[in-house]
Amino acid sequence: GGIITQTPKFLIGQEGQKLTLKCQQNFNHDTMYWYRQDSGKGLRLIYYSITENDLQKGDLSEGYDASREKKSSFSLTVTSAQKNEMAVFLCASSPGTINQDTQYFGPGTRLLVL
Amino acid sequence: GDSVTQTEGLVTLTEGLPVMLNCTYQTIYSNPFLFWYVQHLNESPRLLLKSFTDNKRTEHQGFHATLHKSSSSFHLQKSSAQLSDSALYYCALHDYKPTFGKGTSLVVHP
Repeated sequence: GGIITQTPKFLIGQEGQKLTLKCQQNFNHDTMYWYRQDSGKGLRLIYYSITENDLQKGDLSEGYDASREKKSSFSLTVTSAQKNEMAVFLCASSPGTINQDTQYFGPGTRLLVL
Repeated sequence: GDSVTQTEGLVTLTEGLPVMLNCTYQTIYSNPFLFWYVQHLNESPRLLLKSFTDNKRTEHQGFHATLHKSSSSFHLQKSSAQLSDSALYYCALHDYKPTFGKGTSLVVHP
């Protein structure tokens, strides 16, 4: 078994601020993902990474940067927080082959921008 | 690009009645993998079941689904809803990247 840890659990920011979210997994999985979850809009893929130092854009990458510093960690940066933005950011990982593999999700980071 | 369409919004059922949540997809790939994930309140999504085999029924925890490539569908069913089935359900298509539907919220009441 393994676990995905996301920090922080809650993040309150100011408009225009750069905010960084972190994700760690100890599954030894190759692929990691960042999703944004909004009510009524489902899970939207922001970035994914199939190996260390790899980055692939998802459908919602504009306004975000990501970094896969090592196999076990994947960070996401909101480049300029939008006023009144409220969302949950979920990190996930999968063993290797994107099309076949189950994704395992972390507990999420809840973002509120004042 | 790929897309996944699910039963919209909220489905409300009485305990004991059958469950059917619709999922259809669009992709150019001939061998897609389809997944159902379930997310209970204050939890993260987790796998419910998955399939890539055409016309083969897949079952898990009382739920079942059959991938029909001819109609690009992967509907989720259960014969008798339980209160504990109340959750958010996501249908997802995995090929070179994953694509999720918007989710269907199922509420089962006594």
